[in-house]
Amino acid sequence: SQELEQSPQSLIVQEGKNLTINCTSSKTLYGLYWYKQKYGEGLIFLMMLQKGGEEKSHEKITAKLDEKKQQSSLHITASQPSHAGIYLCGADMLPRSGGSNYKLTFGKGTLLTVNP
Amino acid sequence: GAVVSQHPSWVICKSGTSVKIECRSLDFQATTMFWYRQFPKQSLMLMATSNEGSKATYEQGVEKDKFLINHASLTLSTLTVTSAHPEDSSFYICSASGRLGELFFGEGSRLTVL
Repeated sequence: SQELEQSPQSLIVQEGKNLTINCTSSKTLYGLYWYKQKYGEGLIFLMMLQKGGEEKSHEKITAKLDEKKQQSSLHITASQPSHAGIYLCGADMLPRSGGSNYKLTFGKGTLLTVNP
Repeated sequence: GAVVSQHPSWVICKSGTSVKIECRSLDFQATTMFWYRQFPKQSLMLMATSNEGSKATYEQGVEKDKFLINHASLTLSTLTVTSAHPEDSSFYICSASGRLGELFFGEGSRLTVL
């Protein structure tokens, strides 16, 4: 079974609408990363969450990690066509050994389409 | 912010040839880099952990002799796909961690083996 469940698989919204993408793990996470990817291109780092209950915002994107550190959500406010792409959550499921064990497990991604 | 650069961004080769992909951290030193593979419309799968000055650590199911990794300096890791075959065609992405723990990814390299 998938260690990291991401939902929805795809999402189509009208420009200006808010949306939320979820990422759920069956295990406690040591870190949760959100990335955006345009198909066939590299990943753009959005945010990193490490503490239970942590919330970070950048421009119109807010990411939260629950207290149990098993679930994260990515919320986009007043979506724009520039937000379109594939959003991936990556989870650090192992304790850091030597401070550099970033073995991320990725969700399957959410394809976001924003219609003008 | 930290930048990770990959080269080439795309390559087409004949079956049986070897292809080298470079991953560079441009403004920071990375003792550890990671190589991922992504199939069309699928997520990223970690292939191996590249350690500066020592052997790479491969994930289960990844052939060490097929995917040679060399991390010769603190800013450069290379992935060589040896004797490439069409099934090796994929999108390969590297990553390196910044000083604050963020994990930055390269632009990716699309390999097509004819």
